[in-house]
Amino acid sequence: EVQLLESGGGLVQPGGSLRLSCVASGVTFSSYFMAWVRQSPGKGLEWVSCINSGGGTYYADSVKGRFTISRDNSKNTLYLQMNSLRVEDTAVYYCAKDRGRAEHNPFDYWGQGTLVTVSS
Amino acid sequence: DIQMTQSPSSVSASVGDRVTITCRASQGISIWLAWYQQKPGKAPKLLFYDASSLQSGVPSRFSGSGSGTDFTLTISSLQPEDFATYHCQQTNSFPLTFGGGTKVEIK
Repeated sequence: EVQLLESGGGLVQPGGSLRLSCVASGVTFSSYFMAWVRQSPGKGLEWVSCINSGGGTYYADSVKGRFTISRDNSKNTLYLQMNSLRVEDTAVYYCAKDRGRAEHNPFDYWGQGTLVTVSS
Repeated sequence: DIQMTQSPSSVSASVGDRVTITCRASQGISIWLAWYQQKPGKAPKLLFYDASSLQSGVPSRFSGSGSGTDFTLTISSLQPEDFATYHCQQTNSFPLTFGGGTKVEIK
């Protein structure tokens, strides 16, 4: 069974940094696009970033230049380094795996989410 | 960027009712649309991909349709476990975008 387990969330002041991790099990991690999707309290889902199996990266404009996605296939782990955090980055951050086709993939497995709160 | 607009934002319905949710893309996305179900405090769950392809394990009372800019998710006979929020997502191009969500509430 595929499992994704996020960690690293917490309370941070505006301008601060945080690194999220997501450990995958039950799947050949290195073969899949992985993503971070966030959800602000009471709001809808917002795609944040993706990384393909070869390490190519994609970012939402709202986080470009501040967030960095990376992966360590030897550890089955996805990361999100978040710098220059803003109050509006407050959200539950989900790690998600794509369905594995060449393109146009939905996210078929999601982690339970980790809460990031940016506040002074 | 492709904007995704869902309607209604919320719907009140009874067990056994037929419920239809629509999702409109700001430009054509062929069939590259996914639907997710999310219950409070839980992660989203994939229901459909490619507009109408049912994800494994999803009950057949759910159906998806559409192409181009207009898509629908239909629940033929609402069950108690179906009360949740439903999200559409375009998988046509980056940046990936979601609709605002539709909350299905108990009437």
